[in-house]
Amino acid sequence: DSGVTQTPKHLITATGQRVTLRCSPRSGDLSVYWYQQSLDQGLQFLIQYYNGEERAKGNILERFSAQQFPDLHSELNLSSLELGDSALYFCASTRQSGANVLTFGAGSRLTVL
Amino acid sequence: KNEVEQSPQNLTAQEGEFITINCSYSVGISALHWLQQHPGGGIFSLFMLSSGKKKHGRLIATINIQEKHSSLHITASHPRDSAVYICAVKWGAFGSARQLTFGSGTQLTVLP
Repeated sequence: DSGVTQTPKHLITATGQRVTLRCSPRSGDLSVYWYQQSLDQGLQFLIQYYNGEERAKGNILERFSAQQFPDLHSELNLSSLELGDSALYFCASTRQSGANVLTFGAGSRLTVL
Repeated sequence: KNEVEQSPQNLTAQEGEFITINCSYSVGISALHWLQQHPGGGIFSLFMLSSGKKKHGRLIATINIQEKHSSLHITASHPRDSAVYICAVKWGAFGSARQLTFGSGTQLTVLP
């Protein structure tokens, strides 16, 4: 157990639907990162939060949004889902915002049918 | 063109062999990570380095800043080392908000 908790582990839904993925960072970690891993694109950085504030944005679609709450857990919202959104979504956390070693959660596998 | 290139894409070895996985990148970086992804999907951080060499057990990571190249070595390989190994680089100044760019991964299979 890495200390980073992601729920749900698996999610199957239909096109056009909306889902929320949740991440609880390791105790004491202030920064949360979201990554998407698809078969054709590999791992891609989506977005980073640090202590409740958005810190950096990567290849995140406009249909996707995220936030980090005062208790430091984070949620990634995916809406108007398309078949191509099927992927593993990973959350990772670090204590600081810089180039620290990342601790990954086990991932949430999203299947869009 | 992917700014982070890994080689080989696939590697099969016999138990006990010495293994090398390579990672090259195109411009200056502040840090390079080696990650291990198990068949179940979980990702674990093996090393983060910005210069020189690091060792942990049978794993050794090196980086040559001038050559823009890093290697991950596994000594006395074992079937439990079978996994995907991913190189990721952090561009920009140390501590900046520039985020990781990942290589496409190397699938390692170690046969007993």
